[in-house]
Amino acid sequence: NAGVTQTPKFRVLKTGQSMTLLCAQDMNHEYMYWYRQDPGMGLRLIHYSVGEGTTAKGEVPDGYNVSRLKKQNFLLGLESAAPSQTSVYFCASIKQGERPDRAGGSSEQYFGPGTRLTVT
Amino acid sequence: DAKTTQPNSMESNEEEPVHLPCNHSTISGTDYIHWYRQLPSQGPEYVIHGLTSNVNNRMASLAIAEDRKSSTLILHRATLRDAAVYYCILRDVTGRGGNNDMRFGAGTRLTVKP
Repeated sequence: NAGVTQTPKFRVLKTGQSMTLLCAQDMNHEYMYWYRQDPGMGLRLIHYSVGEGTTAKGEVPDGYNVSRLKKQNFLLGLESAAPSQTSVYFCASIKQGERPDRAGGSSEQYFGPGTRLTVT
Repeated sequence: DAKTTQPNSMESNEEEPVHLPCNHSTISGTDYIHWYRQLPSQGPEYVIHGLTSNVNNRMASLAIAEDRKSSTLILHRATLRDAAVYYCILRDVTGRGGNNDMRFGAGTRLTVKP
């Protein structure tokens, strides 16, 4: 059981380049999240997904797109990277509760190790 | 959306108890109180959570005020490995809070002195 894994661990991009960050979880969790963390700051939610085939915008979605084609994977895409997107990106997942209307409030969130992205 | 307020930093001596406060005066009846911590260069990790009653686990204790407008994370004996940023977060019981769900503030940076 690997938990939440992220690929790649590090990446350097030039302005205007594109890339995709992969998040994978093997815990059969329903909910998945992408956050970014800038130096000295807390995490900010970019996008999230409450199930396969569904995604929604978080607090700072501009410049990013996501897809959840498979339950275990959540992809974060940068179509045209900008220096302002230099950050550490964390993926996380939460299992659904036993009752659909109590989906995740009492469940712990599992985080990946992060991807350090630098855009020059 | 319900928000939390925490001190920016706290210091503790090794082997002593630590009480980390969190204010959440606008908490709703359906919000769980979660605590996470982030060790240097790592992703956040779950510490504890509760709804109304005080909670204990192997890592810490969570004391929740009777009116639920504040809570305190208690580390009974701080170790050097407990030095981290501690986040107090509110999570809607349905888990469908979406954009307002699991909002991380700046947290409290705990320094543990040997």
